[in-house]
Amino acid sequence: NAGVMQNPRHLVRRRGQEARLRCSPMKGHSHVYWYRQLPEEGLKFMVYLQKENIIDESGMPKERFSAEFPKEGPSILRIQQVVRGDSAAYFCASSPAPGTGGPEAFFGQGTRLTVV
Amino acid sequence: GENVEQHPSTLSVQEGDSAVIKCTYSDSASNYFPWYKQELGKRPQLIIDIRSNVGEKKDQRIAVTLNKTAKHFSLHITETQPEDSAVYFCAARRGGRALTFGSGTRLQVQP
Repeated sequence: NAGVMQNPRHLVRRRGQEARLRCSPMKGHSHVYWYRQLPEEGLKFMVYLQKENIIDESGMPKERFSAEFPKEGPSILRIQQVVRGDSAAYFCASSPAPGTGGPEAFFGQGTRLTVV
Repeated sequence: GENVEQHPSTLSVQEGDSAVIKCTYSDSASNYFPWYKQELGKRPQLIIDIRSNVGEKKDQRIAVTLNKTAKHFSLHITETQPEDSAVYFCAARRGGRALTFGSGTRLQVQP
């Protein structure tokens, strides 16, 4: 049973380019969460999605950032016109539908974005 | 929204001693409280969790306690080992919401 898969593991972008981060949830998990972690800091919630639906995007910056979780394929976090301050580790976590019991929110390995 | 406070931010103990990390939360409707361990450059890994219908849970050297009235929960690690050195995060969640994390505790176990 593969865990949460994120790719790429490392991504380097020049200022002004676009970054696309992908996350495939664990088998059987229908809910995906994206978190950002700056160096030496904690995990900041960005967005919570289920397939074809954004449940909570209250942690997402209003501009340049978007996320989707289509019916088929991975969840995508997209950052347009990246700036140096976007450099961080972006973690995806997945969980089963709420109320189904069992452990929740397993994390992927993360994508480390560096903006140069 | 939920707010989770975590203390201390750093903790240094001697090998074999116990370590305790404490968290408080603000949303009385929160009902799920996991703890994650993150080693340098790696992903957060779930080490133990507790739900609001339970006051204590133990797994070998790790235990978590929950006081719903006071809205705080704690992680206890006994007989610490150097490989326990990492950053530990607490989190809280209510139904239908994402996890809100504490700011982390850097635990250093001195051999």
